[in-house]
Amino acid sequence: DAGITQSPRHKVTETGTPVTLRCHQTENHRYMYWYRQDPGHGLRLIHYSYGVKDTDKGEVSDGYSVSRSKTEDFLLTLESATSSQTSVYFCASAGEGEKLFFGSGTQLSVL
Amino acid sequence: GDSVTQMEGPVTLSEEAFLTINCTYTATGYPSLFWYVQYPGEGLQLLLKATKADDKGSNKGFEATYRKETTSFHLEKGSVQVSDSAVYFCALSSASGGSYIPTFGRGTSLIVHP
Repeated sequence: DAGITQSPRHKVTETGTPVTLRCHQTENHRYMYWYRQDPGHGLRLIHYSYGVKDTDKGEVSDGYSVSRSKTEDFLLTLESATSSQTSVYFCASAGEGEKLFFGSGTQLSVL
Repeated sequence: GDSVTQMEGPVTLSEEAFLTINCTYTATGYPSLFWYVQYPGEGLQLLLKATKADDKGSNKGFEATYRKETTSFHLEKGSVQVSDSAVYFCALSSASGGSYIPTFGRGTSLIVHP
């Protein structure tokens, strides 16, 4: 399986603080994605990237920003965390074959 | 926009029972279709895929057929095991401006009792 790691695995933070989640892949995949998973909503796309410095918004991008300065790294930043951003965050990557490889997730709690 | 609708769970079955999880989709063009599985505490992993109409994806005893006429991709397994207990996600991927944008259903929880 593709090597894709997320850090941290768990994070507890306070409302109004900035938070950065990291995703690292070792497969030289072109595409990378950030999803959030919430009960009753399944997976919702936050942002995605189709190359270094090439990113675009997903369906729930408000309050989030991303950066991709290297092929292997995709960062998700919550500029000022809110309680509604408490969720499990998944990163995924894909080569040209559309199959997604997922990380193990980050459980984020905003108090 | 693209969307995926799958049956709500949980689906509760006894071991060796037949499984069907329904999935329908709405998309422009000709998307690829996928089933992913998520075991507790883990990320999703690909179970099977189909890339064109009438293709059948299969893996680990699970099957799904890409039905363009009914815009469906139902997941089936003839005899489930306790180890199949997980959440199953139907998904599609379509090209948009040179990128692949995956869209997921809400997931269906499967619970298999011994």
